[in-house]
Amino acid sequence: KAGVTQTPRYLIKTRGQQVTLSCSPISGHRSVSWYQQTPGQGLQFLFEYFSETQRNKGNFPGRFSGRQFSNSRSEMNVSTLELGDSALYLCASSRRGREDGYTFGSGTRLTVV
Amino acid sequence: AQSVTQLDSQVPVFEEAPVELRCNYSSSVSVYLFWYVQYPNQGLQLLLKYLSGSTLVKGINGFEAEFNKSQTSFHLRKPSVHISDTAEYFCAVRGGNEKLTFGTGTRLTIIP
Repeated sequence: KAGVTQTPRYLIKTRGQQVTLSCSPISGHRSVSWYQQTPGQGLQFLFEYFSETQRNKGNFPGRFSGRQFSNSRSEMNVSTLELGDSALYLCASSRRGREDGYTFGSGTRLTVV
Repeated sequence: AQSVTQLDSQVPVFEEAPVELRCNYSSSVSVYLFWYVQYPNQGLQLLLKYLSGSTLVKGINGFEAEFNKSQTSFHLRKPSVHISDTAEYFCAVRGGNEKLTFGTGTRLTIIP
């Protein structure tokens, strides 16, 4: 079966712009989580959605937002990009999200210049 | 609140030698524990998970981990490593309604 699909794989943006990243979970998975990975901070939790409802939110500024659609696909948006937003953004899905192990996508590498 | 500590940031091991990657966690509630592996330029792949029951958990690629509640540890082991095991390994914990929290990772390097 198809895995978690993240698009695009690579993205270069300039400071001040905004960006939207997309995640298509495995069919039947209703939980989607987003993580930011950087060499200095490691894996930082952004948000978790289950059946279109945000279930958990990490400690990121309001410039970071997300949503989940009725088909479980998810998007995250970052507005007013800063150089420090350069990172690998990982999406993960699971059936229900708690005791299930997440399946991760390959990520979107965002570079802000 | 919950947290995960991976005690070693880098572990070099000779090929075919055994390895143990250490993980300790902190939580005020019962937890689920996970180990993930990340190869270069890829996402994370689930190696194994502990939910309940037997404290020794077997995973993919010959890895296993032992849950020790009294020591709040969940160390990952493999009896004989291969070059292909070179990667970064992450321990993660989830308790109650908390998010899945990851440790800072251990980079495993296999020396031929």
